[in-house]
Amino acid sequence: EADIYQTPRYLVIGTGKKITLECSQTMGHDKMYWYQQDPGMELHLIHYSYGVNSTEKGDLSSESTVSRIRTEHFPLTLESARPSHTSQYLCATWTGGLNEQYFGPGTRLTVT
Amino acid sequence: ILNVEQSPQSLHVQEGDSTNFTCSFPSSNFYALHWYRWETAKSPEALFVMTLNGDEKKKGRISATLNTKEGYSYLYIKGSQPEDSATYLCACSNDYKLSFGAGTTVTVRA
Repeated sequence: EADIYQTPRYLVIGTGKKITLECSQTMGHDKMYWYQQDPGMELHLIHYSYGVNSTEKGDLSSESTVSRIRTEHFPLTLESARPSHTSQYLCATWTGGLNEQYFGPGTRLTVT
Repeated sequence: ILNVEQSPQSLHVQEGDSTNFTCSFPSSNFYALHWYRWETAKSPEALFVMTLNGDEKKKGRISATLNTKEGYSYLYIKGSQPEDSATYLCACSNDYKLSFGAGTTVTVRA
């Protein structure tokens, strides 16, 4: 069973605050991903990483940033939250090829 | 970005009835097609990963077919049960990332 953890699960925060969404995994997978999803819309890829010290921007432009200092952790940071950042953020890992992606439970962010 | 489309966006089905829905994708440079089930308050979970034209996969009452030449996949649910209520996502992958459709939300009525 996949072990991917995201914290917090829910966050309500005021405009202008700095926030970090945590994602950690215990499977040792090299590839990690952040998706953003608004209700009824696609999962949009915003960041991914091939491994330690690797970060790439995804298909959807995002004001967030990520880091990959350790294999296990792939945190996402918003320096100054805005209401337009209100969304659900999903973290995932993948070994590539014909294997499945494994998803965390998501963080539902509301910026007031 | 791979343009992946799913239809319908949502559907309601009576318990015991069968249903199916579609995922369409660009047939050029196809590598693999993924299906995931996403239940409310849970993480998306993989159902199938398919790559060969004409492939058909089955897990319990759920099955999927793949046509890579015309760029579509069908997901079938036979004898729907309330626990089948979920959003079903499909995605196309290349070697390093997936592109998702918006999903089909299935509601099974008892």
